[in-house]
Amino acid sequence: NSKVIQTPRYLVKGQGQKAKMRCIPEKGHPVVFWYQQNKNNEFKFLINFQNQEVLQQIDMTEKRFSAECPSNSPCSLEIQSSEAGDSALYLCASSLRGRDTEVFFGKGTRLTVV
Amino acid sequence: GDQVEQSPSALSLHEGTGSALRCNFTTTMRAVQWFQQNSRGSLINLFYLASGTKENGRLKSTFNSKESYSTLHIRDAQLEDSGTYFCAAAPTGANTGKLTFGHGTILRVHP
Repeated sequence: NSKVIQTPRYLVKGQGQKAKMRCIPEKGHPVVFWYQQNKNNEFKFLINFQNQEVLQQIDMTEKRFSAECPSNSPCSLEIQSSEAGDSALYLCASSLRGRDTEVFFGKGTRLTVV
Repeated sequence: GDQVEQSPSALSLHEGTGSALRCNFTTTMRAVQWFQQNSRGSLINLFYLASGTKENGRLKSTFNSKESYSTLHIRDAQLEDSGTYFCAAAPTGANTGKLTFGHGTILRVHP
């Protein structure tokens, strides 16, 4: 099914620590998305990129998260100072175009902030 | 408010039976995707529809953008169909492809 690769699968951090996760999109997919899924099965869109450029991001991502998709390197999402409420499944997805096209998800990074 | 209302929130089926899941949209959507999420968290693509109906094995999905709903039909349910099913859609006019998800249907198939 999906060829989006996310690492690590599991991440445990203390409050205040940085948490970094990576994503390699499906080959040939220039558009990358990050979503956060909480324990109530609510998905929150965080940010998306087309190649190296940010297309859209939410306020939270602007303030406490940093994300990038450098050329010839994995995309990354980093939480600067982890909070307990950041514990969630972080899902990376990629697609051929920004819209009107199927989106494919990786297996996710499950972050636990203790 | 929520743009995607998914129902039911939970469903229990005997092996061999079937049922339907539904998503109602409160705004016009360009396309809908259906996913199955397994116990390890992986989201498996089931369908992508911009309109009409698609069928794949024991699954069939319909998207009616004019009436703002989509359905996923499961027939002859098997134990491996257990998991959480999500619909996700992109609103018309959204330029970046951001998806809005339903809250999911937890399906349990039992012998």
